[in-house]
Amino acid sequence: ETGVTQTPRHLVMGMTNKKSLKCEQHLGHNAMYWYKQSAKKPLELMFVYNFKEQTENNSVPSRFSPECPNSSHLFLHLHTLQPEDSALYLCASSQESRNTGELFFGEGSRLTVL
Amino acid sequence: QKEVEQDPGPLSVPEGAIVSLNCTYSNSAFQYFMWYRQYSRKGPELLMYTYSSGNKEDGRFTAQVDKSSKYISLFIRDSQPSDSATYLCAMGFNDMRFGAGTRLTVKP
Repeated sequence: ETGVTQTPRHLVMGMTNKKSLKCEQHLGHNAMYWYKQSAKKPLELMFVYNFKEQTENNSVPSRFSPECPNSSHLFLHLHTLQPEDSALYLCASSQESRNTGELFFGEGSRLTVL
Repeated sequence: QKEVEQDPGPLSVPEGAIVSLNCTYSNSAFQYFMWYRQYSRKGPELLMYTYSSGNKEDGRFTAQVDKSSKYISLFIRDSQPSDSATYLCAMGFNDMRFGAGTRLTVKP
């Protein structure tokens, strides 16, 4: 596999469910990111990890919990979500963590919260 | 005022037309300017990267940055149906800010 891989591609969950999104990058990058993409709104940066350490948390509600066990894997654990959390969740990676270089995105996980 | 403004469209043009996509921004500290292309059901991919002001050309694509006006543009010449996608501008200094994206359809 190459690039950035996200699973699952689609997820439907109830407000009381617990689920996780997974991201894996095969590019040897040091930084990984979670973004939220909603219709007609700019990409919202949620979390940044650099060398497995969280370096940024953009005031994301605690119902979203990231985990980065190593530089190649990133998870987003979801629990007690709200319908307004329905969106496309994009994982990205980059060589550096300053977030001004090229970002390589996965295809996203489309989340629907009922 | 939003930090980055981008008209979400949608924009529809006939094949062969010249397309102009634009973003304005408010933070004069921005130095990195990018355009990402996002096909339906795919993640964004980098299309053009420009540092500071000026023009950059790559095939049918030209990126322009006017820092004095805080305005960036992406021109697509001889547009093709395969150019149909959402185009996101992005810019920053220590971090990156994205526009909302403009959805473009090129009709055969």
